[in-house]
Parts: sequence; C-alpha cells; structure tokens
Amino acid sequence: QVQLQESGPGLVKPSQTLSLTCTVSGVSMNSGDYYWSWVRQAPGEGLEWIGYIHNSGNTDYNPSLKSPVIISIDTSSNLFSLRLTSVTAADTAVYYCARVFTSDLAYKWFDFWGQGILVTVSS
Amino acid sequence: DIQMTQSPSALSASVGDRVTITCRASQSIRSFLNWYQQKPGKAPKLLIYAASSLQSGVPSRFSGSGSGTDFTLTISSLQPEDFATYYCQQTYSNPLFGPGTKVDIK
Repeated sequence: QVQLQESGPGLVKPSQTLSLTCTVSGVSMNSGDYYWSWVRQAPGEGLEWIGYIHNSGNTDYNPSLKSPVIISIDTSSNLFSLRLTSVTAADTAVYYCARVFTSDLAYKWFDFWGQGILVTVSS
Repeated sequence: DIQMTQSPSALSASVGDRVTITCRASQSIRSFLNWYQQKPGKAPKLLIYAASSLQSGVPSRFSGSGSGTDFTLTISSLQPEDFATYYCQQTYSNPLFGPGTKVDIK
C-alpha cells in the first residue's frame, strides 16, 4: 500500500524558508510514470496546488504563488521536498504531499495523499 | 488561465437523497477533470478521475459525467459518511481545484 508522510517544522518565522519533506513508502519513486506533488490548504479555505516533480526531475509550479518555490526529489531515499522562501503569514496552511498518477492518455489524478502537516508562519 | 467554479457552494441534504454537484471550467478541459471528497481534518480522497472513472474502492453511488466545460458529480443515495466537502480539479493545464461544495445534514 502506497503511503506518504509529511515532516518538517510546524512554525516558521516571516521572511524565512519553509522546508518540508514527504517520505514515500510502498512504491519505488524510480518506477512508473508518476509526478509527486505538494498541495496546501489555508485555514478554512480550499485546496491550492503548489507544484510537482516528475521522477525524471522535471518540475512544474503554480505561477500564482507569491513566495518562490523549489521542489526536489531524492529517489534513492524515496522522498521529495518542498522549499518555500521568503514566507509570509499568507503561507500559513496545512501542507499535503500527494502522488500524481499519469495515464497513457496524459490524464493526471492525485491518488495517494499524506495526512498533512500544519505550518504556521509567525514571529 | 482556466477558472473553475462549483455550484452550489453548500447544500443541505438528508440521508437517502440524490445529490448533484456541478463544476464548470472557463474553457474546454475535455475530460481532464477529477473529483475529491474531503472531511474535516483529513486529506482529500480521490473519488472520480478523467470525468467519469470511479476510483478503486469508491462506492458505486458516486458517479461523474460531463466533458468540455460542464461536469457533474452525483451521489445517488446520500449516506451518513458522505457529509463532507467536494472539490473538482482540472488537470488539462496546471492543476487547479474548484472552490468546493460543502454537503451537510438537513
């Protein structure tokens, strides 16, 4: 069974860098045609896609994000990471990692999710 | 940029009711549309992918239809565990979620 688990600090100061890791188990990140994604949800709000990375290393990011984003992958350790720099209070949210399945017709869907981690940006 | 809307934003229904939620895209997204269910404090759960395909393990009372710009999620007979918020998501371009529809108890 595929499982994802987010980890990282729950509190980050404004203007600093938010760093999270998603550890994947039950599947090798080297196998298959998957993307690995980060999604966040501000308190009381809807879901916002942050970006994803393919196991080839290719990335796509949400252009509407105000804070610069980097997603990286370490297939040897079966994990991927998120870095959000120069954060503000608007980046306070529950952050989810998810696997993105890609079909042979290029359909994508987010089939496995981590439980989420709350990150608060505050001094 | 593609915009996604959902209607209604909230609805009240009773157990056994047939519930329909609509999702609309600002331009054609063919069938690149997924549906998720989210309960408070939990991660979203995939229900329907590619507009009408039922994810493995999801009860058959859930169904999806539509293509182009207009899509529908239908719950044929609402069960107690179905009270939740439902999101559509387009993946025709960079993924984008709709604003959500909250289904609560009448």
